[in-house]
Amino acid sequence: KNEVEQSPQNLTAQEGEFITINCSYSVGISALHWLQQHPGGGIVSLFMLSSGKKKHGRLIATINIQEKHSSLHITASHPRDSAVYICAAFNFGNEKLTFGTGTRLTIIP
Amino acid sequence: DAGVIQSPRHEVTEMGQEVTLRCKPISGHNSLFWYRQTMMRGLELLIYFNNNVPIDDSGMPEDRFSAKMPNASFSTLKIQPSEPRDSAVYFCASTWTGGNQPQHFGDGTRLSIL
Repeated sequence: KNEVEQSPQNLTAQEGEFITINCSYSVGISALHWLQQHPGGGIVSLFMLSSGKKKHGRLIATINIQEKHSSLHITASHPRDSAVYICAAFNFGNEKLTFGTGTRLTIIP
Repeated sequence: DAGVIQSPRHEVTEMGQEVTLRCKPISGHNSLFWYRQTMMRGLELLIYFNNNVPIDDSGMPEDRFSAKMPNASFSTLKIQPSEPRDSAVYFCASTWTGGNQPQHFGDGTRLSIL
C-alpha cells in the first residue's frame, strides 16, 4: 500500500464542471503539497497546507489532519486545467516529499 | 526571479555513455533536491542537499549514480555508465528550509538511453 494515495487516477469532465481530487496519506506529515504537471512536463506547486483550507482563484485545497485526507477542488473547470495533479506529503523533520501517483485530469470543451 | 534552471532539457545517448545533468537552484535557497519520474514509479527522491551537503542519498539507485553540489548555485547528477532503464525525466527542485516552504521545480531533463 502506497503511503500517499490519490483518487481517481483519471478524470474526464466537461468544461464548467466542479472537480474534486482526493488524497489520503498514512505517513506523519508537516504539510501537504498539491502540485500541477502540464503535458510539457513542468511541475508547479499549487498549494502547501497544514490545516484548514486555502484558495487561489478557482482552486481550493482542504486538509483534515485527523482523517489524514486532503482534497483539491476546481470550480468552473476549463480545458487549460487539463494536467496531472499530484499530492505530496511533506515531513519537516527529514525534508522529504512522498508523492502520490497523480490524477490525470482532462477537461473537454 | 529566474526559477530553477536545468540543463539539458533533453538528452539522448547510447547505453554505456556518461550522462551529466545540471541544476542551478533559485538564489538564496539552501536545499536542493534531485527527483526521477517514470511511468511505472512516478516521482521519486534520489538525493537532497542542505547547505551544499548531501543529507539523504538513500534514493540513489546504485553506484552508477552520483551527485555533487560544489557551491550554493550549482549541482550535478551523473550517471556512469548509463543503462536503458535510466531513461526517465529528472527534476531538480530547491527551497528555503527553516519553515514550511514549497519546493520550486525546474522544467526537468528528459533522458533517453538507447
